[in-house]
Amino acid sequence: AQSVTQPDIHITVSEGASLELRCNYSYGATPYLFWYVQSPGQGLQLLLKYFSGDTLVQGIKGFEAEFKRSQSSFNLRKPSVHWSDAAEYFCAVGPSAGKLIFGQGTTLQVKP
Amino acid sequence: DAGVIQSPRHEVTEMGQEVTLRCKPISGHNSLFWYRQTMMRGLELLIYFNNNVPIDDSGMPEDRFSAKMPNASFSTLKIQPSEPRDSAVYFCASSSTGGATEAFFGQGTRLTVV
Repeated sequence: AQSVTQPDIHITVSEGASLELRCNYSYGATPYLFWYVQSPGQGLQLLLKYFSGDTLVQGIKGFEAEFKRSQSSFNLRKPSVHWSDAAEYFCAVGPSAGKLIFGQGTTLQVKP
Repeated sequence: DAGVIQSPRHEVTEMGQEVTLRCKPISGHNSLFWYRQTMMRGLELLIYFNNNVPIDDSGMPEDRFSAKMPNASFSTLKIQPSEPRDSAVYFCASSSTGGATEAFFGQGTRLTVV
């Protein structure tokens, strides 16, 4: 079955610290991979995407993610977290841009 | 472009009533998606359209749910009759097909059925 697992439901980091959010997927072929961010009461904003090519992709707001085929992972990273990064983060996979399977999300809290 | 526009932003209705959610995709996008977000089940794809034609409605939970896309700039998701377990945030998203694209999401409609 196709699925996305985000093992960490809730993560708390200090402002300025580095961040890594984990994402593992189960899919028949190499899917398109996405990370979205959702602020309270808002829609989803795309942070970055991977379709092919370089397995390290850069996104907006200083985020990056690395696709590791052997581990079926697509972890999101940021070297220095800002208080404004507090939000819920979703990993998603799919055969196209909009037909997506989402993970359950990771809520990021940032301590001052 | 104003992005994907959904209306209403909030809807409170009584059980048994008909509810209609509306979506205006980004101009030029030819794919449209309806998602539902709940605490228990997360984000789930309900149905999607390509060029106004429903392609996959396997995510629609019951026959009480229906969706239409009468033209390229408008889609509706209807629930009739509504039930309390339909309470959720419903998102519409649109994208263009072909190439490395992305889906753009609307702000969502928060539906509460009492």
